Amino acid sequence: QKEVEQDPGPLSVPEGAIVSLNCTYSNSAFQYFMWYRQYSRKGPELLMYTYSSGNKEDGRFTAQVDKSSKYISLFIRDSQPSDSATYLCAMTIGSGNTGKLIFGQGTTLQVKP
Amino acid sequence: DVKVTQSSRYLVKRTGEKVFLECVQDMDHENMFWYRQDPGLGLRLIYFSYDVKMKEKGDIPEGYSVSREKKERFSLILESASTNQTSMYLCASLRVSYGYTFGSGTRLTVV
Repeated sequence: QKEVEQDPGPLSVPEGAIVSLNCTYSNSAFQYFMWYRQYSRKGPELLMYTYSSGNKEDGRFTAQVDKSSKYISLFIRDSQPSDSATYLCAMTIGSGNTGKLIFGQGTTLQVKP
Repeated sequence: DVKVTQSSRYLVKRTGEKVFLECVQDMDHENMFWYRQDPGLGLRLIYFSYDVKMKEKGDIPEGYSVSREKKERFSLILESASTNQTSMYLCASLRVSYGYTFGSGTRLTVV
């Protein structure tokens, strides 16, 4: 069993839809949770960063962590064609960002105009 | 903004060649990482370094080595390239309290 599971998709939605992206994990020691966005032929870029359980909002993006269920989510409101990318969840045990990251395999999202 | 630069976007090498992938960051970060990214497998850590001349194995170090002679430069070396090392290679630099900054990647094809 992989430490971090993420449905690779692809996920296709119409413009303006609410998108929900999810990851589950098995290691209860993970404390820091991140979402990266990766456009085609580019490196991943950090989108959201959360610590422990709870919600964090940034514009159209909301990251949610449920440590009791070992489940994290990224919600995108009013999705745009420019949101079309691969979204990678990542998590780490180490304090702050000193630990190595464990990644999900990424979900490919396409937002159609 | 932190910039992480990988010297080549695309490389084609022959089986058995020694291959060098170079990565440079411009913000004096201590921590640097090399990952490879494959369809269906996601990103997997090859090696990382917390300081000059210091290195630690990641999850898949076999067939690779690294060099960190200067703080800003972290090199990945394929001692004898094989076709199963065809992949996208990503270098990352750690920005404390912010996360990893990745380079644009090097797509290596071994023929």
